[in-house]
Amino acid sequence: NAGVTQTPKFQVLKTGQSMTLQCAQDMNHEYMSWYRQDPGMGLRLIHYSVGAGITDQGEVPNGYNVSRSTTEDFPLRLLSAAPSQTSVYFCATSWGAEQYFGPGTRLTVT
Amino acid sequence: KNEVEQSPQNLTAQEGEFITINCSYSVGISALHWLQQHPGGGIVSLFMLSSGKKKHGRLIATINIQEKHSSLHITASHPRDSAVYICAVDNNNDMRFGAGTRLTVKP
Repeated sequence: NAGVTQTPKFQVLKTGQSMTLQCAQDMNHEYMSWYRQDPGMGLRLIHYSVGAGITDQGEVPNGYNVSRSTTEDFPLRLLSAAPSQTSVYFCATSWGAEQYFGPGTRLTVT
Repeated sequence: KNEVEQSPQNLTAQEGEFITINCSYSVGISALHWLQQHPGGGIVSLFMLSSGKKKHGRLIATINIQEKHSSLHITASHPRDSAVYICAVDNNNDMRFGAGTRLTVKP
């Protein structure tokens, strides 16, 4: 099992560019989520999904879109990147008491 | 005021010491999680609690729902326990996180 995979590991964007951060899991977990982690602020929930076709906003959803067409994949889209979106992004799944985090994507917007 | 407060922010201990990290929260929750983030950045789930106490090896987590407080204890601490420990509260899938406690255990 690969668990939770995220691509890319690193990305540099210019302001206004768009991109998609990929997240995939092979554990058949219904719940998936995206977080950003900024120095001194801890993790913050961006969007989450409780199953295919169902998504909801978290604490900081502005500037990000998600969709969940399959159980396995939960991509995060930045439509027009801004320097304030420079961060480390983590995808996670959960099943019961266990949470599983991906390795993270470090995004820099210049 | 943050919804999830952790203390201390930083903690340095000698190998073998008993460690306590505290988490207080101000919102209603369905569960509370303790996570560990190693210097390389990887995040591992340690515990999920909705009441009482859980133990895994040298780690013990407790929660008092009435007082909205949880503690993570590490017995016989070891340098490999050095990491950031993060408390997170789950309010029906809406997760909120503390800023983390950076633990350094010296040999």
